[in-house]
Amino acid sequence: KAGVTQTPRYLIKTRGQQVTLSCSPISGHRSVSWYQQTPGQGLQFLFEYFSETQRNKGNFPGRFSGRQFSNSRSEMNVSTLELGDSALYLCASSPELTGREQYFGPGTRLTVT
Amino acid sequence: QKEVEQNSGPLSVPEGAIASLNCTYSDRGSQSFFWYRQYSGKSPELIMSIYSNGDKEDGRFTAQLNKASQYVSLLIRDSQPSDSATYLCAVIFLTGGGNKLTFGTGTQLKVEL
Repeated sequence: KAGVTQTPRYLIKTRGQQVTLSCSPISGHRSVSWYQQTPGQGLQFLFEYFSETQRNKGNFPGRFSGRQFSNSRSEMNVSTLELGDSALYLCASSPELTGREQYFGPGTRLTVT
Repeated sequence: QKEVEQNSGPLSVPEGAIASLNCTYSDRGSQSFFWYRQYSGKSPELIMSIYSNGDKEDGRFTAQLNKASQYVSLLIRDSQPSDSATYLCAVIFLTGGGNKLTFGTGTQLKVEL
């Protein structure tokens, strides 16, 4: 089976812009979770989608949003980018809702200047 | 706040030795525990999952879980230079807002020739 894919892999944006990241889960997986990873904060949970509905949410401002499509692919959007949003954004897929193992994609490296 | 604690390291072991990585967690009700390996510049890779008290072995890796002590560990036998990476402990916490996979900050392992 193909693994989790994320696009784009690298992105450079300017403060105030918005960005959309995409994630395609492993075939048959219905849950997609998003994480932000920075050297200072480690891996922080953003949100989880299952069957096109957001089921869990971490402690991030409303500028961070997401959605999931009927084919389980997911997108994450960050509006009004800030310098502190520079991070590796990781998506992980799982067959079920926060139940068992999650498998990560390669990530999108976002740099905000 | 529900937390996962790990010693950041670095933990240095000679090639061929046993590396022991430890993790504690704050919620006694947690049922699912995972170890991920992350090479520099790469995304986390799931290497072990454990759900019951005791030991679980997979090749050179052994995960140990003690729910009464809220402690989970990972042993790597016959350590190789290719095992040099950051090891992340992750725990699923049950919350009112849904189950959440929470990561520790990771332990950096260095296997020396």
